[in-house]
Amino acid sequence: RKEVEQDPGPFNVPEGATVAFNCTYSNSASQSFFWYRQDCRKEPKLLMSVYSSGNEDGRFTAQLNRASQYISLLIRDSKLSDSATYLCVVNSVYSSASKIIFGSGTRLSIRP
Amino acid sequence: SQTIHQWPATLVQPVGSPLSLECTVEGTSNPNLYWYRQAAGRGLQLLFYSVGIGQISSEVPQNLSASRPQDRQFILSSKKLLLSDSGFYLCAWSYRVGNQPQHFGDGTRLSIL
Repeated sequence: RKEVEQDPGPFNVPEGATVAFNCTYSNSASQSFFWYRQDCRKEPKLLMSVYSSGNEDGRFTAQLNRASQYISLLIRDSKLSDSATYLCVVNSVYSSASKIIFGSGTRLSIRP
Repeated sequence: SQTIHQWPATLVQPVGSPLSLECTVEGTSNPNLYWYRQAAGRGLQLLFYSVGIGQISSEVPQNLSASRPQDRQFILSSKKLLLSDSGFYLCAWSYRVGNQPQHFGDGTRLSIL
């Protein structure tokens, strides 16, 4: 089993829809979690951190489920500009650079 | 604010040639620094990371090497490039303390002919 797994997609949804995707991780001792977005042929950019109590940033909501070992990202009222690949990141060891694991990403395509 | 600069943006090199990619960070001190490679349509592969000057950890065996001659400078090198070295190379930094997110440079797209 991979340490961090994501559905590669693509998720193809109409503009204005709500879309959600999950990311599962295998190490129950994982410490911190993040979502990044990556546009085609560009660098990943931090979208949001994921906190234990869940957090929201505008149209984006991130949640952590430690019992089932997954994090989720929900996008409401999706825009064309949300089309990108979304990467989840899990840090499994406190302050260890070597245990920051990136998922392979979920592709999202928003259609007009 | 912190910024990270990576160059060149694109590079085309023949097999067997040397390589040097440079990355510098501004606006912070003592960052963790990272080199990643991303093959087309694939995830990020951590190549090297550094927690301080002269301290380099390698994640995968390969014909690449990294150096950190100054606190905010990270260099990726190769003496002889292979076809399999083609890819998108990304430098990143993070604060050293705690579980902090990484911030990426614009990347270098390397093609080996």
